[in-house]
Amino acid sequence: QVQLQESGPGLVKPSQTLSLSCTVSGGSISSADYYWSWIRQHPGKGLEWLGYIYYSGKTYYFPSLKSRLTISVDTSANQFSLKLSSVTAADTAVYYCARRVLTYTDYFDFWGQGTLVTVSS
Amino acid sequence: DIQMTQSPSSLSASVGDRVAITCRASQSITNYLNWYQLKPGKAPKLLIYAASSLQTGVPSRFSGSGSGTEFTLTISSLQPEDFATYYCQQSYSTPPTFGQGTKVEIK
Repeated sequence: QVQLQESGPGLVKPSQTLSLSCTVSGGSISSADYYWSWIRQHPGKGLEWLGYIYYSGKTYYFPSLKSRLTISVDTSANQFSLKLSSVTAADTAVYYCARRVLTYTDYFDFWGQGTLVTVSS
Repeated sequence: DIQMTQSPSSLSASVGDRVAITCRASQSITNYLNWYQLKPGKAPKLLIYAASSLQTGVPSRFSGSGSGTEFTLTISSLQPEDFATYYCQQSYSTPPTFGQGTKVEIK
């Protein structure tokens, strides 16, 4: 069974960089069948896709975040990471990592349980 | 971006009830529609993909239907573990977008 686990600081100061990692177990991050994704949920709000990365390093980012967002992959550690720079209170959210299946109609089949990141001084 | 609109935003139901949640897309997405279940502190769970395909391991009381712009998630007989928030998501175009969620509460 594939499992994903987010890790990183739960508190980040405004203007700093939010950094999270997602460790994948039970499957290889180097599989050609998946993209590895970040999704967030603001308190009391819906889900927002942030971006994803392929094992080769190819990335897709949500356009409005593209200037602040970097997603990277470490295949040797079976891990991928998110860095969001210049954060504000509006970036306070639960951050999820998820696996996106590449089929004719794709979907997110496995998710981490999420980690709450609060942006506050 | 494709906008996804769910209704209702919340509902109260009893164990054993039949529940239906609707999701509408701002343009046709053929059958590129997925449904997820979210519970606080737990990993979100994929229920339905491609509008009507049941994910492995998901109970058969969950079903999905629809195509084009209108879709429905149906729970045929609500169980205690089904009280949660449900989200639809389109995978027709990038960025993938989600509905605002439907919270299913105990009556």
